[in-house]
Amino acid sequence: SYELTQPVSVSVSPGQTASVTCSGEDLGKKYICWYQQKTGQSPVLVIYQDDQRPSGIPERFSGSNSGTAATLTISGAQPMDEADYFCQTWDSNTYVFGPGTKVTVL
Amino acid sequence: QVQLRESGPGLVKSSETLSLTCAVSGDSMKTTHWWAWVRQSPGKGLEWLGDIFHSGVTNYNPSLKSRVTISQDASNNQFSLTLTSLTAADTAFYYCARHGGSYYRGFQVWGQGTLVTVSS
Repeated sequence: SYELTQPVSVSVSPGQTASVTCSGEDLGKKYICWYQQKTGQSPVLVIYQDDQRPSGIPERFSGSNSGTAATLTISGAQPMDEADYFCQTWDSNTYVFGPGTKVTVL
Repeated sequence: QVQLRESGPGLVKSSETLSLTCAVSGDSMKTTHWWAWVRQSPGKGLEWLGDIFHSGVTNYNPSLKSRVTISQDASNNQFSLTLTSLTAADTAFYYCARHGGSYYRGFQVWGQGTLVTVSS
C-alpha cells in the first residue's frame, strides 16, 4: 500500500516561514491535500489540488508538489497556526493520509 | 452552511458491531459530492474508511473492506457506517466528512467527530 512520510515536528518563530514536507513515491504525479487539526478539533482542509486554497483560508498558506515531495508553506506564521498538519493523496482508489507534523509557533 | 453530525454509541464491546450515523444539514446528499467516514486513533493519524455517492456506489479501504459497510438514507439526508468484529484497535474518533467530488478536491467539511471505545 502507498505510504506518505512527514517529519514529526517543525518549529517556527512568529512571523517566520514554516515548511512542512510530505514524501512519497512519485508523489509529484499525484495531487496532494493538506489539513490543519488543532487540539481537540476536527481537521480543516487548507490546501487541495497541490496549491489551491479553499475559501476562507488565509493567503499565508501555500502548497507545492513536485518530484517525490510536496510542501506546505506557512508564510508569516502566527500563534494561531500551531496545530498538527496532515497531507493526503489518492492512490489505487484509496485515500491515504500522512502521519502528521506538529507545527509549534514560539 | 453545511454541517455534519455523527451519532452512535460511545462504548462498544469487543467482537460486536459498531453502527454510526451522520446527519447532513445545509446541503443535499444528492449532489456531486461523496460522503465519507474517516477515523483517528487517539494521538494518531487519520485513516479513510470508505465513502458513498448518492447513487449508492461505495468505495472502501482495502485494509478494512471485509468489515466495513457504508449505507445511506437519502430521504433523511443521512448516511451510516457499520464496522463488524471490533477489537481494541478500532478505538478511535470517527468523523464523517464531505468530499469535493473529484479525488483531488479533498475532504471539505467534517463533523465534530465521535469517540468510540471498544472494551473487552
